[in-house]
Amino acid sequence: AQKITQTQPGMFVQEKEAVTLDCTYDTSDPSYGLFWYKQPSSGEMIFLIYQGSYDQQNATEGRYSLNFQKARKSANLVISASQLGDSAMYFCAMRERGMNTGFQKLVFGTGTRLLVSP
Amino acid sequence: DAGVTQSPTHLIKTRGQQVTLRCSPKSGHDTVSWYQQALGQGPQFIFQYYEEEERQRGNFPDRFSGHQYPNYSSELNVNALLLGDSALYLCASNLFGATTGEEKTQYFGPGTRLLVL
Repeated sequence: AQKITQTQPGMFVQEKEAVTLDCTYDTSDPSYGLFWYKQPSSGEMIFLIYQGSYDQQNATEGRYSLNFQKARKSANLVISASQLGDSAMYFCAMRERGMNTGFQKLVFGTGTRLLVSP
Repeated sequence: DAGVTQSPTHLIKTRGQQVTLRCSPKSGHDTVSWYQQALGQGPQFIFQYYEEEERQRGNFPDRFSGHQYPNYSSELNVNALLLGDSALYLCASNLFGATTGEEKTQYFGPGTRLLVL
């Protein structure tokens, strides 16, 4: 079974600084996808960024980038120039293929709470 | 571009009762998944529907059941509610026939907060 580990229960950063949120994963499937979602206090999971296991380059999406180190099985999220609105829970997730390989589910880590201060 | 919608937003029930939660997928999506998120935890996969059939299921008892309609909307039913069923229930949708990994991204709704007393 696949597993996602987020070892930072909470992170604190000042506005305009960069922050890295850690994520390690474990899988025996050579083809997989990694995701980061943001969950504000409202509860909705907001998709941020995706990295495929065969992608040659690290994914970037605006202020978000993914530091993908395949040999180390890590997929850390980097948020540059933090903003007050970035304060939220952040979840790393992996797409796991079911018995019917066309159908996939997400396996989530326990999340990291990010607080951005003025 | 309509996103995933869920109803109701909040619900309070008592032990033993039954509850139905509803979800409409993002425009263009045909697959709906349900997740349970207990307080302080990451979401846990309940089940997934495509073409009105349950395609895969997580480690949840039969008290949890679902349905998908021809318009791709879905329901989650929970019978004989327990205190431990109190959680945020998230619905996610994606397009089954997407060709790239990123196109297969699941998009989530705002969730339904269920409190069982």
